[in-house]
Amino acid sequence: KQEVTQIPAALSVPEGENLVLNCSFTDSAIYNLQWFRQDPGKGLTSLLLIQSSQREQTSGRLNASLDKSSGRSTLYIAASQPGDSATYLCAVSPNSGGSNYKLTFGKGTLLTVNP
Amino acid sequence: KAGVTQTPRYLIKTRGQQVTLSCSPISGHRSVSWYQQTPGQGLQFLFEYFSETQRNKGNFPGRFSGRQFSNSRSEMNVSTLELGDSALYLCASGWGPSGNTIYFGEGSWLTVV
Repeated sequence: KQEVTQIPAALSVPEGENLVLNCSFTDSAIYNLQWFRQDPGKGLTSLLLIQSSQREQTSGRLNASLDKSSGRSTLYIAASQPGDSATYLCAVSPNSGGSNYKLTFGKGTLLTVNP
Repeated sequence: KAGVTQTPRYLIKTRGQQVTLSCSPISGHRSVSWYQQTPGQGLQFLFEYFSETQRNKGNFPGRFSGRQFSNSRSEMNVSTLELGDSALYLCASGWGPSGNTIYFGEGSWLTVV
């Protein structure tokens, strides 16, 4: 059974700091890995998707890496801003069936960026 | 274009009742999946539908059921509600059966009293 762990559970940083969020998964047979953002009381917004054959993806100030063999991914946020404050969730989809929709999520990292 | 729409947004039910939640995917999307989010268990996969067929089902009791209609709209039903069913129920849609980016709705908050 796939398990996804995110460390740290919570993180508080001053504005402008670069930061790294960590995600690990127990079964390396994944179809892809995604990072999501969730604002309080809201749904999820997809930030980055990394296919199993890829090593990293970048979007603006965000960079996500994937090391499938070791079961790890990191989300790097450069020059953090108060608007980045949210819960960041990592999720993987299984290789069997090639479905992108049956996701296993981590519990998330609650990020607070202080002005 | 309009995003994923979930109705109702908030509802309160009594133990033993049943509830039906609705999800309208983004226009053109044919895949719909459902998730339950609770503070203790986090996000857990419920079902996945593509073109009216259930492709995957999560590890939930038979009280949880769903369906998808020919216009890709989906409903999920929970019968004989328990206090532990109180959660945020999220729906997501995507274009194909194994598409890439998926889009989540804002969810339906269910409180069971």
